[in-house]
Amino acid sequence: GENVGLHLPTLSVQEGDNSIINCAYSNSASDYFIWYKQESGKGPQFIIDIRSNMDKRQGQRVTVLLNKTVKHLSLQIAATQPGDSAVYFCAEIKPAWGSQGNLIFGKGTKLSVKP
Amino acid sequence: DSGVTQTPKHLITATGQRVTLRCSPRSGDLSVYWYQQSLDQGLQFLIQYYNGEERAKGNILERFSAQQFPDLHSELNLSSLELGDSALYFCASSLGRPSNYGYTFGSGTRLTVV
Repeated sequence: GENVGLHLPTLSVQEGDNSIINCAYSNSASDYFIWYKQESGKGPQFIIDIRSNMDKRQGQRVTVLLNKTVKHLSLQIAATQPGDSAVYFCAEIKPAWGSQGNLIFGKGTKLSVKP
Repeated sequence: DSGVTQTPKHLITATGQRVTLRCSPRSGDLSVYWYQQSLDQGLQFLIQYYNGEERAKGNILERFSAQQFPDLHSELNLSSLELGDSALYFCASSLGRPSNYGYTFGSGTRLTVV
């Protein structure tokens, strides 16, 4: 069955360091992946996405890497700031006939940034 | 403000009761998705509507139902509530397929069943 899971439930980093959050997925048919950030009491906020025909995509201070061979997704945050403290979820969409595509989420990794 | 509006923000009710959660999608978005987030759990997909029609179902209990109205707002109805239904319920919207148009979440409704 489908499984989007995260390797680590918590990650603690020092302010200014780079953070790497990992995600494994099991559905090789998934063609679109998103990373979301969820702060306490708020809804998930889009960070960055990547399609299955790409292996890397960069945004502002964030980079997503996709390794389809081992079905692995990672989110790299450069120069991590206290405002980056949140729970990070990866999500996948698998193509389905007649469906607009619902996201399947992993359980999340809690990132704590120490000042 | 994401543009997706959910009401109420908080709801406390007793077991056995019925509640309705409301979601107004972002202007122009046709798809509405409902998710449940329990403590220590990720977001579980419940159901999706597109332009008034049900498009996909996830792990939605039979006690739960939803609909999308002609003005595109959606309501999630939860009945015969149990303590385990306490959770955050999120609505998200998109214009079409999320990979083409994006996917925006509301701030959620926190339901507490006592």
